[in-house]
Amino acid sequence: SQTIHQWPATLVQPVGSPLSLECTVEGTSNPNLYWYRQAAGRGLQLLFYSVGIGQISSEVPQNLSASRPQDRQFILSSKKLLLSDSGFYLCAWSVTGQGVDTQYFGPGTRLTVL
Amino acid sequence: GDSVTQMEGPVTLSEEAFLTINCTYTATGYPSLFWYVQYPGEGLQLLLKATKADDKGSNKGFEATYRKETTSFHLEKGSVQVSDSAVYFCALSGGAGGTSYGKLTFGQGTILTVHP
Repeated sequence: SQTIHQWPATLVQPVGSPLSLECTVEGTSNPNLYWYRQAAGRGLQLLFYSVGIGQISSEVPQNLSASRPQDRQFILSSKKLLLSDSGFYLCAWSVTGQGVDTQYFGPGTRLTVL
Repeated sequence: GDSVTQMEGPVTLSEEAFLTINCTYTATGYPSLFWYVQYPGEGLQLLLKATKADDKGSNKGFEATYRKETTSFHLEKGSVQVSDSAVYFCALSGGAGGTSYGKLTFGQGTILTVHP
């Protein structure tokens, strides 16, 4: 069966510090991968998605970047964090096929920028 | 573009009450529709889905029917439990609003609290 991991689970960082959040998927090949941010415990904002190694699409211009160095690894980064980067970051995967792409989410990383 | 509108909430119910959370959508084409649930401090879990008109998705006593004529996908449960307290998200994918590669368009979420 497929599983998705995110780490760290929680993170407290000062303003201006760098960020690296990691997401890995097991049990599937060539997944589509997604990063979302959830602010104030409610709506989800799609930040990036990737359909293959090295292929990243950005949905919202911002202080963050994403990379996909391996098929099942997706990394969210920042060179200098802002207060507004605080939130709950969710990674998700899906596999194109059978007409329906269903997304499955990881446990999330709660980031607090002070 | 595609959009999803759901009941703002919060919704507060007593245990064993009937639950309805309304969800309507705007999309061209033939989207797939989803309900996700988020328990406190956790990621989202797929609750149910429907891929074509008149399909009924169901899971854990929850159900929702894909109504193309009313562009709706309302979530229902006949008897809620305290353990159902969570945030519920309606979402769609596969409409014509650039939702390729399975990208989801989410509603804002509805907080459900069930009291004993």
